[in-house]
Amino acid sequence: AQTVTQSQPEMSVQEAETVTLSCTYDTSESNYYLFWYKQPPSRQMILVIRQEAYKQQNATENRFSVNFQKAAKSFSLKISDSQLGDTAMYFCAFMKTEYGNKLVFGAGTILRVKS
Amino acid sequence: DSGVTQTPKHLITATGQRVTLRCSPRSGDLSVYWYQQSLDQGLQFLIQYYNGEERAKGNILERFSAQQFPDLHSELNLSSLELGDSALYFCASSAALTSADEQFFGPGTRLTVL
Repeated sequence: AQTVTQSQPEMSVQEAETVTLSCTYDTSESNYYLFWYKQPPSRQMILVIRQEAYKQQNATENRFSVNFQKAAKSFSLKISDSQLGDTAMYFCAFMKTEYGNKLVFGAGTILRVKS
Repeated sequence: DSGVTQTPKHLITATGQRVTLRCSPRSGDLSVYWYQQSLDQGLQFLIQYYNGEERAKGNILERFSAQQFPDLHSELNLSSLELGDSALYFCASSAALTSADEQFFGPGTRLTVL
């Protein structure tokens, strides 16, 4: 079974600064997808970024980028120019590329952006 | 707005009771997923349906059941409720089954069991 570990329960960052959230996972699969989801205080789950394991290039979405290290099974999220609206719980998630595609989530990291 | 709707938003009930949570997927999406978010268990997958058929099962209790109807909406039935069933229940939908299409999450139903 796959597991996803987020070792930082809480983090804080000053507005406009850069912060990196860590995620490691365990799998024997060679092809899979990795995701970062954001859950603001509204509780809505919002996809931030995704990475296909077969792609070596790290995914980027505006201020959000990932550092995907397949051999190390590491998938960190970097948020640049942090904004107050980035305050949320961030979940790292894993999905196998097979018939049926459930998400396996980590425990989450609470990120607080301070002004 | 993800396009996925869930009703009700909040539900308060007593132990031993039965409730039904409803989900309408995005227009055109055939896959529906149910997830439970609780303080104890975190976010965990319960069950998936694709075009009316059960496709994958996670840590879903025997007291819980789900189905997807011909119009593609889905219902999650929770019976013999216990205090520990209090959680936020999310429904998500995606277009297909075999590809890793984005799962769009609904706003959730917050269940409180007293």
